[in-house]
Amino acid sequence: AQSVTQLDSQVPVFEEAPVELRCNYSSSVSVYLFWYVQYPNQGLQLLLKYLSGSTLVESINGFEAEFNKSQTSFHLRKPSVHISDTAEYFCAVRASGGSYIPTFGRGTSLIVHP
Amino acid sequence: EAGVTQFPSHSVIEKGQTVTLRCDPISGHDNLYWYRRVMGKEIKFLLHFVKESKQDESGMPNNRFLAERTGGTYSTLKVQPAELEDSGVYFCASSQDRTALYGYTFGSGTRLTVV
Repeated sequence: AQSVTQLDSQVPVFEEAPVELRCNYSSSVSVYLFWYVQYPNQGLQLLLKYLSGSTLVESINGFEAEFNKSQTSFHLRKPSVHISDTAEYFCAVRASGGSYIPTFGRGTSLIVHP
Repeated sequence: EAGVTQFPSHSVIEKGQTVTLRCDPISGHDNLYWYRRVMGKEIKFLLHFVKESKQDESGMPNNRFLAERTGGTYSTLKVQPAELEDSGVYFCASSQDRTALYGYTFGSGTRLTVV
């Protein structure tokens, strides 16, 4: 079984500041990792994913995440946030084989202030 | 294409009453999933349909919850009788294949409040 820990329930930042949302996972098997974003009054949307290959993955809106196997982490970063990035962010993990059902974290609410 | 549609968006019911949530997946998506998020906690898996068949219902909390997907199109999740701890946001998601390596498409959820 897998588990996900998102230590920060809320992260307030000012616009144009950098941000890091932390995600740690636990698994006895190899994994795939995902970040989903939920904007207000919308469903979750896939932001980016790590399946294999390069450990640094990027989204189209400037976010990136790095898979660190030794630290079992998949932190999400953005060098300069916008007001429109205000949303809830969920990290998810699933085994690369076997069950296809992902395990989600508690979510981190990113609040960008002007 | 139309997204995943859920309704109602909000429901407030009294303890002991029955509520039915509905999910319309993306047309052509054979895989449909129900998840629940209790306030401030993880999004927890409830069950997975492949077409009209229940592939995995290991996350269903108890027999007060009944999910159906007649004809392999829309799905309903009935809670009968509702208890206070059933409050939360119920998400539905769909995917074209069960590996969902390109991610799920989620609905915006139904916020259920049991009072």
